[in-house]
Amino acid sequence: RKEVEQDPGPFNVPEGATVAFNCTYSNSASQSFFWYRQDCRKEPKLLMSVYSSGNEDGRFTAQLNRASQYISLLIRDSKLSDSATYLCVGRGGNKLVFGAGTILRVKS
Amino acid sequence: DTGVSQNPRHKITKRGQNVTFRCDPISEHNRLYWYRQTLGQGPEFLTYFQNEAQLEKSRLLSDRFSAERPKGSFSTLEIQRTEQGDSAMYLCASSSPGEGLSSGANVLTFGAGSRLTVL
Repeated sequence: RKEVEQDPGPFNVPEGATVAFNCTYSNSASQSFFWYRQDCRKEPKLLMSVYSSGNEDGRFTAQLNRASQYISLLIRDSKLSDSATYLCVGRGGNKLVFGAGTILRVKS
Repeated sequence: DTGVSQNPRHKITKRGQNVTFRCDPISEHNRLYWYRQTLGQGPEFLTYFQNEAQLEKSRLLSDRFSAERPKGSFSTLEIQRTEQGDSAMYLCASSSPGEGLSSGANVLTFGAGSRLTVL
């Protein structure tokens, strides 16, 4: 079983839609979690950290449920520019462990 | 300093040849990571340096792979006797020191990657 698992998608949504991604992790020792964004043929970039109490950054909301070992990302009012692969990431010790990513396609 | 620099950007080689990739991290970052990514997968951890010390190496990394960071600045990743299964994007990332969720240690800045094709 992979340490971080995500639904690969793709999620095809119209502009303005709200979309949510979930991710589960198997290592209960994982200390911190993040969402990274990766555009096609580009390198991953940090989107946001995930706090236990939940956190919001503009149209993006991230939540962590340690009891169920899952992380979520909610995107409101989707824009065409949100089209990308969203990588769920957990920190275990020195390294960040990446999920395989969820593909989002926002269409006009 | 314009970010993490990797070269070459593309490398095509024949099976059995050796290849070396170079990574120049952001100058004030003391942590350096190598990851490998194949199509449809997320980046897979290979190895981690703090300054010049290699502190962690993935069990998935065979003896044909070696990485160095001799002066705690740039790093090289060498693959000996390449196999077709080594074909992938090799990503280097760096981060600043620190602890805690909000620290720079959790913000990895990736380079554009070195794409390896083994024929």
